[in-house]
Amino acid sequence: AQSVTQLDSHVSVSEGTPVLLRCNYSSSYSPSLFWYVQHPNKGLQLLLKYTSAATLVKGINGFEAEFKKSETSFHLTKPSAHMSDAAEYFCVVSEWDKIIFGKGTRLHILP
Amino acid sequence: NAGVMQNPRHLVRRRGQEARLRCSPMKGHSHVYWYRQLPEEGLKFMVYLQKENIIDESGMPKERFSAEFPKEGPSILRIQQVVRGDSAAYFCASSPTSGLFSYNEQFFGPGTRLTVL
Repeated sequence: AQSVTQLDSHVSVSEGTPVLLRCNYSSSYSPSLFWYVQHPNKGLQLLLKYTSAATLVKGINGFEAEFKKSETSFHLTKPSAHMSDAAEYFCVVSEWDKIIFGKGTRLHILP
Repeated sequence: NAGVMQNPRHLVRRRGQEARLRCSPMKGHSHVYWYRQLPEEGLKFMVYLQKENIIDESGMPKERFSAEFPKEGPSILRIQQVVRGDSAAYFCASSPTSGLFSYNEQFFGPGTRLTVL
């Protein structure tokens, strides 16, 4: 059965420092994995997706994620945080006809 | 090209009333998905529709909830006889092609926040 676990409900980093948002998944087959971002009172926006091509996926706004099958992880990273990155981030796993969202990680950026 | 539009953005209902949530997909998109986000929870899939057809309603509660996507007009998520537990954010998404989730990006609307008093 599919599941997705976002290991931190809140993450705080200082502006200009690296960001790491952790996501672990379980899947019976070869999943597709996504990261979405949700700014306050806005809809979700796709940051990046992994669909069995390159394991290191580059997304918008300087974010990237690495698919590690051995660790069943798909952590989201960014080298240098910006104030505009403050938002909620959702890790998503999908297989054919099922889609599972993580509970979200709220990213706080400290000035 | 306008994005996915949802209205109203905020909806307040008393217990026992009906709630109607509307979603207009992006231009050219014929696939619509509804999700519910409960406080402190991730999004949960409810239903997937194409024009005039319900393709997958495995996430819909068996009672009081219904959805439609008519040939003309927006998709409607209808909740009859609302209860306090229905209070949540309801998001609609659309995609241009087949609903196999694995490969197709879904474009999300801003959501409707339903509060049941």
